[in-house]
Amino acid sequence: AQSVAQPEDQVNVAEGNPLTVKCTYSVSGNPYLFWYVQYPNRGLQFLLKYITGDNLVKGSYGFEAEFNKSQTSFHLKKPSALVSDSALYFCAVRAPNSGGYQKVTFGTGTKLQVIP
Amino acid sequence: EAGVAQSPRYKIIEKRQSVAFWCNPISGHATLYWYQQILGQGPKLLIQFQNNGVVDDSQLPKDRFSAERLKGVDSTLKIQPAKLEDSAVYLCASSSGGLSLRYNEQFFGPGTRLTVL
Repeated sequence: AQSVAQPEDQVNVAEGNPLTVKCTYSVSGNPYLFWYVQYPNRGLQFLLKYITGDNLVKGSYGFEAEFNKSQTSFHLKKPSALVSDSALYFCAVRAPNSGGYQKVTFGTGTKLQVIP
Repeated sequence: EAGVAQSPRYKIIEKRQSVAFWCNPISGHATLYWYQQILGQGPKLLIQFQNNGVVDDSQLPKDRFSAERLKGVDSTLKIQPAKLEDSAVYLCASSSGGLSLRYNEQFFGPGTRLTVL
């Protein structure tokens, strides 16, 4: 069964500093990996995805993520954090299941707090 | 383009009552998902539709939850009867990809916050 782990419940970072939100995954076969962000009282918004190709993926709002197959990780990064980046971040993996269609599994989320 | 619409935004009911949620996906999106998000957890897929057919309902508690997507557009999710542990945010999402297009990201609605007392 596929799974996603976000080992940190919360990440605190000072405004202007680089940030990293960690994600590791476990699937059979090649994964499609996603990051979503959830602001208070709002639905999830897509940030970026890795399907194939360059391991460094760039997404919305200056975020990027690095796919590392050997470490089965897909960490979310940003060079300089903004207070407005404070939100809940979810990693998700999409992989074929035995039925032949793509099953999506979300991590438990990491709360990012950017301190002014 | 308009996003995914959900209603109601909030619902408070007593246990053993029934409740229904409605979702209107983005126009043209063939795939529709219902998720349950309990406070402090990630979204858990309840059911996935491809047009008006169900492709995954393995985590749907079928003794009390039901969902339909008539005509392959709007969808309703029903809980009957509700339990205390059903208190959660119910998210609807849609994506444009069919079974052969496996890359597409999902677009989420604002969710319905259900409180069961």
